[in-house]
Amino acid sequence: LAKTTQPISMDSYEGQEVNITCSHNNIATNDYITWYQQFPSQGPRFIIQGYKTKVTNEVASLFIPADRKSSTLSLPRVSLSDTAVYYCLVGDNYGQNFVFGPGTRLSVLP
Amino acid sequence: EAEVAQSPRYKITEKSQAVAFWCDPISGHATLYWYRQILGQGPELLVQFQDESVVDDSQLPKDRFSAERLKGVDSTLKIQPAELGDSAMYLCASSLKAGPYNEQFFGPGTRLTVL
Repeated sequence: LAKTTQPISMDSYEGQEVNITCSHNNIATNDYITWYQQFPSQGPRFIIQGYKTKVTNEVASLFIPADRKSSTLSLPRVSLSDTAVYYCLVGDNYGQNFVFGPGTRLSVLP
Repeated sequence: EAEVAQSPRYKITEKSQAVAFWCDPISGHATLYWYRQILGQGPELLVQFQDESVVDDSQLPKDRFSAERLKGVDSTLKIQPAELGDSAMYLCASSLKAGPYNEQFFGPGTRLTVL
């Protein structure tokens, strides 16, 4: 059962801000929203996690509206090295309640 | 920086043969995950361990796949017999414990090709 919907692919240019939105209409009270990044031939890498409102770390921001039915990952001033697949996950990190979808393939162009 | 170790990095085998993958999680991480990732798709959880106990193996094809973490540290995933459809990247991840705010750290994976 798919818990999240996100765009299959996005293109951007170096130096631009990129926003990737994820829909999760059936999010449960105990669910958190987590984003991972994956480069080719590597395992995914944790980017950011949040429950509500806004979370910011050194690489990204995560915006979550009050109804929590969607979330937006914001990458400021992307570079070519940000070209990767970005996964939005909703769940509590226990077993099958934390499922990777197909992700969003971000291509950053020069 | 501590990392999750996996071996081998690449494995080529013929169908009906047995294969095994090894994972050494970050020291002190109680939770260990095995994922399978088919090219172009997201990782699919096969099995999750909490220490030496299986927490979730609902997606593990138990007729041919087995996983163990006998001492609650390193883990082995086995496939016997391998089938053509098993060709994929097998990823191991670990976290301090299960649950929110316990990010999963992934290893480099083992790429399996079944001929």
